[in-house]
Amino acid sequence: DADVTQTPRNRITKTGKRIMLECSQTKGHDRMYWYRQDPGLGLRLIYYSFDVKDINKGEISDGYSVSRQAQAKFSLSLESAIPNQTALYFCATSAGMRGTEQFFGPGTRLTVL
Amino acid sequence: AQSVSQHNHHVILSEAASLELGCNYSYGGTVNLFWYVQYPGQHLQLLLKYFSGDPLVKGIKGFEAEFIKSKFSFNLRKPSVQWSDTAEYFCASRSNDYKLSFGAGTTVTVRA
Repeated sequence: DADVTQTPRNRITKTGKRIMLECSQTKGHDRMYWYRQDPGLGLRLIYYSFDVKDINKGEISDGYSVSRQAQAKFSLSLESAIPNQTALYFCATSAGMRGTEQFFGPGTRLTVL
Repeated sequence: AQSVSQHNHHVILSEAASLELGCNYSYGGTVNLFWYVQYPGQHLQLLLKYFSGDPLVKGIKGFEAEFIKSKFSFNLRKPSVQWSDTAEYFCASRSNDYKLSFGAGTTVTVRA
């Protein structure tokens, strides 16, 4: 869905490096989310933001930080990457109403060597 | 915390076979339920959702799901699968906190 974009799409980095993954959306949604996907574990929530001034930890936030620069932008940072952060990362957005679904970006495949 | 269980890790079918994927959720209050599909190399797309009303929900591409509150279940069905249905399927639930909880996913392989 071109309404939610993620950069980069693929990244290989080394242990200890700082990495930033970026997400932008043109859907006008207030709510944005970062997930990681691992085989056999489904998607797990890292951080979420219900508006520009609101940042909340998800179930696996350790080792990650986020920044909500604007309504349309939500970045995920790995301050010091480690190999078990190798995963597929998805950004998602939703409107602030019950019953509405989340819309996902194309994903960023991150490999930490 | 709420959780979602998907019973099948990998399902292999022949074309035209019927498909049913199990999903159970743990939350006992008001819940929204979703099925997402992820085709190879693509992002998640919504197949269908249950919010309220008719417990039999019809989605895109011939999929449907039935919400059974007494069983905490939201199973996905398709009467006749096609090769293009090969994908990973995720069940998800959302309670009052607006966060989604995903199941581990079921990989469906349809053989031509």
